Amino acid sequence: DTAVSQTPKYLVTQMGNDKSIKCEQNLGHDTMYWYKQDSKKFLKIMFSYNNKELIINETVPNRFSPKSPDKAHLNLHINSLELGDSAVYFCASSQEPGTSTDTQYFGPGTRLTVL
Amino acid sequence: DAKTTQPPSMDCAEGRAANLPCNHSTISGNEYVYWYRQIHSQGPQYIIHGLKNNETNEMASLIITEDRKSSTLILPHATLRDTAVYYCIVRLANAGGTSYGKLTFGQGTILTVHP
Repeated sequence: DTAVSQTPKYLVTQMGNDKSIKCEQNLGHDTMYWYKQDSKKFLKIMFSYNNKELIINETVPNRFSPKSPDKAHLNLHINSLELGDSAVYFCASSQEPGTSTDTQYFGPGTRLTVL
Repeated sequence: DAKTTQPPSMDCAEGRAANLPCNHSTISGNEYVYWYRQIHSQGPQYIIHGLKNNETNEMASLIITEDRKSSTLILPHATLRDTAVYYCIVRLANAGGTSYGKLTFGQGTILTVHP
């Protein structure tokens, strides 16, 4: 059973297009995250949601809009894609964020390539 | 969160113990040390965390110095599947507000286990 799943695994698109990446977790966690890993392999948090409420927004351009229809899903919609958006995007979830016992579970990643 | 310093790369022979150091000299009293790893093309995976006592689980052991300024992750019997980037992360025990659940990844250590 996959704990955190993402679709699609690969996404190739043209500059200026709008695309979405979906994330689902079946762990019953209340908090979900999006991370971006760029070509230099730096992994950086973008957003976190707790019970469908935005908690962290790390100065991400407003072309990126996370949407959480329920606490098991956190989708990432990106408008007007730019070359610099090419990266691997990871979704994660955790049950007790901000506590000493917090453990984050990551999805397999979505490799986005903007041409 | 305190910054961490890790060697960029290390080698280890299969079956031997892999000892991965991390320096966190500016750590504060309520910050935990977390270790995650990222196997090629996969999402990060939680390994272990601790505050000041040494910790052990089925994956690894974590040794934290008495002054808490450094720690060592030990993989007791490294296998080829342990080849990955290992991240040492220092994080507040109860991180609320805009740090809620946030993990700040550095460059990590590329561990290569060879036959």
